[in-house]
Amino acid sequence: QVHLQESGPGLVKPSQTLSLTCTVSGGSISSGSFFWSWIRQPAGKGLEWIGRIFISGDTKYNPSLNSRVTISVDTSNNQFSLSLNSVTAADTAVYFCARESVAVAALDYWGQGALVTVSS
Amino acid sequence: DIQMTQSPSSVSASVGDRVTITCRATQYISTWLAWYQQKPGKAPKLLISDASRLQSGVPSRFSGSGSGTDFTLTISSLQPEDFATYYCQQANTFPFTFGPGTKVDL
Repeated sequence: QVHLQESGPGLVKPSQTLSLTCTVSGGSISSGSFFWSWIRQPAGKGLEWIGRIFISGDTKYNPSLNSRVTISVDTSNNQFSLSLNSVTAADTAVYFCARESVAVAALDYWGQGALVTVSS
Repeated sequence: DIQMTQSPSSVSASVGDRVTITCRATQYISTWLAWYQQKPGKAPKLLISDASRLQSGVPSRFSGSGSGTDFTLTISSLQPEDFATYYCQQANTFPFTFGPGTKVDL
């Protein structure tokens, strides 16, 4: 059974960089059958797709965040990461990592989510 | 960006009711549409991919249909565990986008 778990600071100061890591267990992140994605959800609001990475390193980002976001992969630790710089209070949200299956073009496994608050 | 709309935004229903949720895309997305169920404090759960493909382990009372720009999620007989918020998501064009959600409550 595939399991994803987010980790990282729960509090980030404005203008600083938000960094989260997603650890994948129960399967290899190096599989060519999946994309590895980040999605966020402000409290009481809907879901926003942030971006995804393939094992080749190919990335796609949401243009609304494009200049501030980087997703990277660490195959040796079976992890992928999110970096979002120059954060503001508007970036406060629960951040989910998820696996997108190439076969079904949908997010079939999700982490439990990590709340990140941007505040001084 | 492709905008996704859902209707209704909320629905009050009873156990045993048939519930239908509509999702509409502002552009043609073929059948690149997924449905998710989210309960408070939990991650979304994939119910349906490719507009109508039921995921393994998802009860058969859930069904999806549609193509192009108009889609529906139907719960044929609502069960107590189905009270949740449902989101559609298009995977046809970057950036992927979600609908605003439909809350199904008692």
